[in-house]
Amino acid sequence: TQLLEQSPQFLSIQEGENLTVYCNSSSVFSSLQWYRQEPGEGPVLLVTVVTGGEVKKLKRLTFQFGDARKDSSLHITAAQPGDTGLYLCAGSTPGTYKYIFGTGTRLKVLA
Amino acid sequence: GAGVSQTPSNKVTEKGKYVELRCDPISGHTALYWYRQSLGQGPEFLIYFQGTGAADDSGLPNDRFFAVRPEGSVSTLKIQRTERGDSAVYLCASSSDPGQPQHFGDGTRLSIL
Repeated sequence: TQLLEQSPQFLSIQEGENLTVYCNSSSVFSSLQWYRQEPGEGPVLLVTVVTGGEVKKLKRLTFQFGDARKDSSLHITAAQPGDTGLYLCAGSTPGTYKYIFGTGTRLKVLA
Repeated sequence: GAGVSQTPSNKVTEKGKYVELRCDPISGHTALYWYRQSLGQGPEFLIYFQGTGAADDSGLPNDRFFAVRPEGSVSTLKIQRTERGDSAVYLCASSSDPGQPQHFGDGTRLSIL
């Protein structure tokens, strides 16, 4: 069974701090996506990474795909209260379009 | 433009009853996915369709769960003989093609009493 473990599970920080969320697996993924989910809503896609070692930036968010395509990280610089939410990683298994979601990281940014 | 629409938004029913959950994908999207999300967890894959056919149904937990997409657009997830453990938010997503970005609906919150 493929699993995507995210750490930390919960994170509460002050506005302006930096943070990193990790997504790890023992399996190789053909692509990996990061989503943010607000209460009562569906996940919203932030980014997709497909190449080992790939780095993508989205304003204050930096996403990296591990060289072996088994892990990924999300770094947020100068966090703001609007960044509060549940962050999810999801990987697609090679040869399929079945997506496995991580366990999630619940982030709270305090003003 | 219209996003993915799921109805009902909330469903409360008694154990043993039959329920149907509906998903209207974005127009023209050929791929449609169903997930189940329990409180505090990430979404769990159930099934995905490419057109009218189920391309991968390996996530359906047992034979009480069934999904259809007869015309390649709207999909219905059907649960027979519901159990309390079926309580969760059921999410639907669609994409223009498999492997393209998924767009999620807001889900149906199912509560089995």
